[in-house]
Amino acid sequence: GDSVTQMEGPVTLSEEAFLTINCTYTATGYPSLFWYVQYPGEGLQLLLKATKADDKGSNKGFEATYRKETTSFHLEKGSVQVSDSAVYFCALGNSGGYQKVTFGTGTKLQVIP
Amino acid sequence: GAVVSQHPSRVICKSGTSVKIECRSLDFQATTMFWYRQFPKKSLMLMATSNEGSKATYEQGVEKDKFLINHASLTLSTLTVTSAHPEDSSFYICSAIPAAGASTGELFFGEGSRLTVL
Repeated sequence: GDSVTQMEGPVTLSEEAFLTINCTYTATGYPSLFWYVQYPGEGLQLLLKATKADDKGSNKGFEATYRKETTSFHLEKGSVQVSDSAVYFCALGNSGGYQKVTFGTGTKLQVIP
Repeated sequence: GAVVSQHPSRVICKSGTSVKIECRSLDFQATTMFWYRQFPKKSLMLMATSNEGSKATYEQGVEKDKFLINHASLTLSTLTVTSAHPEDSSFYICSAIPAAGASTGELFFGEGSRLTVL
């Protein structure tokens, strides 16, 4: 079945540091890939997405590229801010008439001033 | 963007009582809604898929008699935790997919409901 593996957290970075959160997946067919973010005390919200191989999703300075050859969708940001502190979930969505999304375990990011 | 709202955001109840959590799509119609349970330091576990006008589809290992799901309209799904016990304490999150238009699997999430069973 489909699965998503992302790096264990928590990740603690200083403000303006470079961020990478690794994510790899296993899926049948051609899934869409997502990064969701969960700020403290809130539900999840979509951060970025990519629907086919070599697509790059980007939003709020974050970006991730859909790499079919390595089955990866790593999240990156060049300069993190304290306000980026949150839990980040990598996910895949498989179409085919049933939109079931599979999530990774989440990676907590803490950015310190 | 599409807005999904859950209510209540926090609820505390005594063991043995039942609790209902509502999930509403505020600005779109959703034929399909999903209910997740989030454990501390773990991912979201899909509990069930709620389809408007039909029975919910439960994931393996989820007790359908304990977690009752009703999707009576295109904008409302409810999750009722029956005879709640402390081990049911968790963060429950719903999500929805708009009925109209093409979908790439993107989900719109509610804010979540924190259930504490004493």
